[in-house]
Amino acid sequence: AQTVTQSQPEMSVQEAETVTLSCTYDTSESDYYLFWYKQPPSRQMILVIRQEAYKQQNATENRFSVNFQKAAKSFSLKISDSQLGDAAMYFCASRAGATNKLIFGTGTLLAVQP
Amino acid sequence: GAGVSQSPSNKVTEKGKDVELRCDPISGHTALYWYRQSLGQGLEFLIYFQGNSAPDKSGLPSDRFSAERTGGSVSTLTIQRTQQEDSAVYLCASSPLAAPRYEQYFGPGTRLTVT
Repeated sequence: AQTVTQSQPEMSVQEAETVTLSCTYDTSESDYYLFWYKQPPSRQMILVIRQEAYKQQNATENRFSVNFQKAAKSFSLKISDSQLGDAAMYFCASRAGATNKLIFGTGTLLAVQP
Repeated sequence: GAGVSQSPSNKVTEKGKDVELRCDPISGHTALYWYRQSLGQGLEFLIYFQGNSAPDKSGLPSDRFSAERTGGSVSTLTIQRTQQEDSAVYLCASSPLAAPRYEQYFGPGTRLTVT
């Protein structure tokens, strides 16, 4: 069975600063994908970044990057130069092999202080 | 192009009533997913459809829940004899194919409140 754990229910960051959101996962699959989704108050889930487990290089998308530690089963999200629009709930998720469903963590509510 | 749309946006119903929630996926997407987001259970998978294959219903919480997808496009999630624990946001997502490398695009959800 797959599990995803986010241990930070809430985080806060000053505008223009950097923040890191933590996520750990567990899976017995060798082929899996990891994701960070953003959910603003509009409820629309938006994919922020994706990491394929077979790739050693950490994924990066503009101000968003991940620290993927495969042996430790850790997948943290770093947001650089935080902006007010980054304020949202962030969900870590996994998807393994032939399983087509996403398994989500409990989320981290990020506040950005001006 | 148009994204995933869901209707209604909000639904309030009385305990014991049946409700239908609708999802219009992105045109051409063959895979469609339903998830439920509730305070007690977080985000959980309910069911997914891939083309003409039998749906994966492994996440449906009880036999009061059912879903269908007509013509490989629009999907309806039906909850019979609603209970207060069914109150949640129901999210629909679609992707070009049901494979991990394809992104799932989410709709804005339907907030269901059972009174």
